[in-house]
Parts: sequence; structure tokens; C-alpha cells
Amino acid sequence: DTGVSQDPRHKITKRGQNVTFRCDPISEHNRLYWYRQTLGQGPEFLTYFQNEAQLEKSRLLSDRFSAERPKGSFSTLEIQRTEQGDSAMYLCASSKRQSSYEQYFGPGTRLTVT
Amino acid sequence: AQSVTQPDIHITVSEGASLELRCNYSYGATPYLFWYVQSPGQGLQLLLKYFSGDTLVQGIKGFEAEFKRSQSSFNLRKPSVHWSDAAEYFCAVGALNTGTASKLTFGTGTRLQVTL
Repeated sequence: DTGVSQDPRHKITKRGQNVTFRCDPISEHNRLYWYRQTLGQGPEFLTYFQNEAQLEKSRLLSDRFSAERPKGSFSTLEIQRTEQGDSAMYLCASSKRQSSYEQYFGPGTRLTVT
Repeated sequence: AQSVTQPDIHITVSEGASLELRCNYSYGATPYLFWYVQSPGQGLQLLLKYFSGDTLVQGIKGFEAEFKRSQSSFNLRKPSVHWSDAAEYFCAVGALNTGTASKLTFGTGTRLQVTL
């Protein structure tokens, strides 16, 4: 069990640029989640996958956001035309389907949009 | 919709003192409840969880929490705090049977400072 990993850990980008983050879940976990955490707030749910299927998306996930999990293993979260309001910590978590509430979180990717 | 309130934004305790962090939830049925801890630059680590059964649950690092349905509370406790417990603590609730079975809703967190 090597834990959930995320890459990069930090990303600074200029407004209007596109960014992509990667999450590698714990290997035997078939559920994968994305959350966003802004300063002084708790994490907010964005979306989750069961294997390669994206089963739910939050209203927080605007059209500029897209998430994929093409082979049911790692996942990517892309933000197009970034805005300063996108600055946040993006957290990934994974779980087994039969214990989906036991979510294990990665270290997060901190995005700063200048 | 479910929600979580952590009324204390910041708490300071002396090392060796007892600790209680408050959490109140709003949910129409029996919730699944969690406490997570987040150290600076780190992800969230699960401390403990309540699904059903005994309302006093034990977690890692000497933490425990008690589910009180009548008060809609799930307060986190530790009898003797260590300096390494300084971190941000988040209470979360899981919803079931809403079509969002895996979604966790978090409170805004309580930052714990430990003085020596």
C-alpha cells in the first residue's frame, strides 16, 4: 500500500492557461474522488469515478473542468482557461467500492492562478 | 442536504491537557460520520469513523468520538494532547440513499494549536 499520490504538488499558472493534474489511487481501490479545498474551508466534493465511469459531478464543476479515468486506474483533472477563483488545493481520494466511505486522501495539488 | 458545523475555528490547549473539538451535523437519517486530520502540506488522514452500533468510537493516535443523536453531535476528544497533535481537524458526514452514496461533506475545520 503506497498511498494515493498526486502530481504536481504545486502549480503556478497565469490566468487563461490550461492545467492538468494527475492522481494515482491505491492500486486495489476502484473508486476515485476529486475534492477542492480553498483557504479556510473544508474540502468540497467535485466528482467521483467507479472504475472508468464518472458517476457524479458537483455543480462546482463548471464546463471548464473535466476529469477522466480512462483505464480505471489513474485520473486526470483538467482546468481550461484558468481563473483566479480556481486557486485552491485539489485533493484526490480513493476507496474500495464495498467500503466507499473509507476514503484515503493524497497530499493534494496546490494551484495558484496569477 | 447534509451539512456539518464546526463552531470553533481555532483552539489552543497546553500539552498534556484534555481536548474536545465540537462537530454538529444536519442530516435526515442516520449519518456516517468521520474525523480527519490535516497537517500543513499534507493530505487528510482518517482518525475515526462512525457507521452504527456503539456510539463511542475509538480511533488512531488516542482519539475518540461520541455520537449523540439527540444533539446531532459527533465531538472529538483526547484525554492528553501531545505537541504533535497540532493540525487542522475536519469533521465530515457521508450521505446515503441520495444518489451520492460516496460523497463526503466536510465542516470548515478547527485549527488546533498546542502550547508547551
